[in-house]
Order: sequence, then structure tokens, then C-alpha cells
Amino acid sequence: NAGVTQTPKFRILKIGQSMTLQCTQDMNHNYMYWYRQDPGMGLKLIYYSVGAGITDKGEVPNGYNVSRSTTEDFPLRLELAAPSQTSVYFCASGTGRTGPSPLHFGNGTRLTVT
Amino acid sequence: ELKVEQNPLFLSMQEGKNYTIYCNYSTTSDRLYWYRQDPGKSLESLFVLLSNGAVKQEGRLMASLDTKARLSTLHITAAVHDLSATYFCAVDVFGGTYKYIFGTGTRLKVLA
Repeated sequence: NAGVTQTPKFRILKIGQSMTLQCTQDMNHNYMYWYRQDPGMGLKLIYYSVGAGITDKGEVPNGYNVSRSTTEDFPLRLELAAPSQTSVYFCASGTGRTGPSPLHFGNGTRLTVT
Repeated sequence: ELKVEQNPLFLSMQEGKNYTIYCNYSTTSDRLYWYRQDPGKSLESLFVLLSNGAVKQEGRLMASLDTKARLSTLHITAAVHDLSATYFCAVDVFGGTYKYIFGTGTRLKVLA
């Protein structure tokens, strides 16, 4: 199984550009999450989803948008990129009867905004 | 708002020594997770603690959970260089939201 797949692995954006970070999982997990990790720091929750059609804001949602039209895909959209969005972005998924239990992480997307 | 704090943030220790990493969280939760992250890599799950008093052990690492104190510990026994990594605890908030919040992380360096 591929698990959680993120694309691209690296990207450089100019200020004001937009892009979509892709995340796909093939484990039929209900729960999916987007985090950002700034250098030397912890993970901050951007958005999450408990199932197709349901999304909610995390700790740092400003400047981002998400959608969840299928169980497998959870893309993260950056509009009007700013240098403060330079970070490593991780997508994760989980499953469980009463919650997501341990998360399975993708390999991350390293984004630089200049 | 759920806050998850770890201490210490940085830990440099000699091989063979014991140490404990602490994870405090601010809201009621019966579920706590520990992850490991190697430099430049993604996160991998170490332990899942699902009830008060839960204890899990894997090799030189042992994790425990006290939900009444809202405290989890990750104990390292006789550290070896291969344990050098950043360790994160995380809490998910049951009750309809399933927010999954990570602690600040503890960067561990084991010196030979």
C-alpha cells in the first residue's frame, strides 16, 4: 500500500501566487489532517476533516482553504502566498470507531515563498 | 482551547543514562499519542495510550498516561545514540470534533 501520498515534494512560490498541495490516502481512512511545521518547531493544525464533505478549521487556518469531495483526497489550497507560509506541510490520516487513533503521515511538502 | 506542552524542549544526554520527557495537556482526553521524527523526515507513531493508567513499552522507551493529572511521560532507559530524534506527544479531543493537537516537541540528542 502507498499509504498517504503528498505532492509535490518541493515547491518555490513567489509572493502572491497560489497553489494546491495534494494529499491522497488509499487506506479508506475517515479522518484527514493538514499540519505545518516551521523550522525547529512543532506541528500546527491547519484544517481537518472527519469524512467526505466535512471540514473544519484547526489552530492556524488563515490563508488556506480545503475541500474533501472524496474519502481519498484532501487538497490544501494556498491563496496569495506570503513569506510567512514558508514551511513544511504534512498531511495525515487516521481511522477508528471513536476517533482517529494514531495518524499515518505523508512525507511532507517543503514550500518556500520568496 | 486545547494546549499541549512538553518539557524539556531540548535534551542532551549521555549514552546509558535515564531520563523522562513530560507532556501536559489542558483539556479532558483519555487518548494520548507519542510520535518520533528524525531530522528531515516525517513522523512515525510510537505509542497509543487510550485510558487512565495505560503503560506501553517498546525497547528502551516506556510511555504512561495519567488522565486525572492530564500528564503523560515518556521514559528513556539506558539511552543509546539511535534514540536521537524529536519526540512529540499529541492529544485528540473526542466529542464530535476530533481535533488532533501536537505538543511542542522535545529534541533529544544522545551523546556517545
